[in-house]
Order: sequence, then structure tokens, then C-alpha cells
Amino acid sequence: AQSVTQPDIHITVSEGASLELRCNYSYGATPYLFWYVQSPGQGLQLLLKYFSGDTLVQGIKGFEAEFKRSQSSFNLRKPSVHWSDAAEYFCAVGAGGTSYGKLTFGQGTILTVHP
Amino acid sequence: DTGVSQNPRHKITKRGQNVTFRCDPISEHNRLYWYRQTLGQGPEFLTYFQNEAQLEKSRLLSDRFSAERPKGSFSTLEIQRTEQGDSAMYLCASSGTAISNQPQHFGDGTRLSIL
Repeated sequence: AQSVTQPDIHITVSEGASLELRCNYSYGATPYLFWYVQSPGQGLQLLLKYFSGDTLVQGIKGFEAEFKRSQSSFNLRKPSVHWSDAAEYFCAVGAGGTSYGKLTFGQGTILTVHP
Repeated sequence: DTGVSQNPRHKITKRGQNVTFRCDPISEHNRLYWYRQTLGQGPEFLTYFQNEAQLEKSRLLSDRFSAERPKGSFSTLEIQRTEQGDSAMYLCASSGTAISNQPQHFGDGTRLSIL
């Protein structure tokens, strides 16, 4: 069964600083990987996805993520954080085949941005 | 594209009562998922529909839970004889099926509180 680990429960950065959120996954085949962002009381918004091909994927809001098969990682990065980026971030792996793409999520990382 | 719509946004009920939530997916999407999210956790998969057929149910979905998608459009999730442990955010997501693992688009969820 697939699983996702987000080692950092809470990260605090200053506005304008760079950001990296870690994600490690466990999946027996080629993974489909996603990053979602959730603001308090809201649903999840898709930031970016990796299906195949180029291992560096670009997303919305200036985010990018790099798939590293050898490390089973899919870390999210942003070169300069804005105060509006404060939210909770979830990494997820999608199951193909007979599991019809259901997602397994990590525990989430809460991002706090200091002015 | 009006997005995934969920109603109600909040539901407060007494233990032992029945509750029903509704999800209206993006109109051209034929895959519909339900997830449950408790405080401090990532969403957990509950069940999945392709058109009107319920193709997978998580073992998290006890006999008190039932989901339907009668005409392959909107879906309902009913919880009978609610318990304290049912308090959570219930999220609905939809996706297309052009390829496996199309990104899922989430609604804003229904927050259930059991008194």
C-alpha cells in the first residue's frame, strides 16, 4: 500500500525567504504525485502534479517540485515566500490501476510566514 | 467551470442523529471521490464513484455510512446514528477519466460537529 510522509509538521519562514517542504513517498510502481494547499476552513487547491517526464515540475503561485526516484522524494520549493503563502500544504500520491486514482495524503505541513 | 460544490458547509447535530451531505462535481467529470479529514491530519479516502457506480469503499466506511450517486451527477453521503468520532471535515473531489490519475478538484468541504 502506498504512503506519504511529510517530516515537518510546522515550518516558519520570513517573507522573502526561500522555502522547501519535504515529502517522501512509498509506492510500488511509478507514482503519480501531487501537492495541494489548504487555507483554514477551505478545501484543497492543486499546486502542481507529476505524472511522468521532466522531473522538475512547475506549478501555480511560483511553486515548483522535483521528483527524485532514488530518494523517493517530491519536495516542494519556492524561491521567495509571500505572506499569502501561509497555509497548510499536503503532498499526495495517486494510485493507478484498479484503485482509480484515489489519493493517499501526508499529514501536512503548516507554513507560517513572518513579515 | 463552477468548481465542486458541497452543502451544507457546516452541520452541527446531536449524537445518534442521521446526517446527509451533498456534493455537486464539476459537470464534465465522471469520477467522484469522498474523503474525510480530521484535525491535524491529511484527508483519508472513503469511497469512489465512476458515473453512478460505486467502485471502491475504504474500510473506514462503516455500515453506518452510505454514499450514492444516482444519476452519475451529484452525490450524497449519509451517516446514520452519528457518533462523536464522526466529527470531521468531509471533502468531495471530482476528476475526468481521459487518463488515469487526472488531478482531483476539491470542494470546500462540509464540517460536521457532533454534540
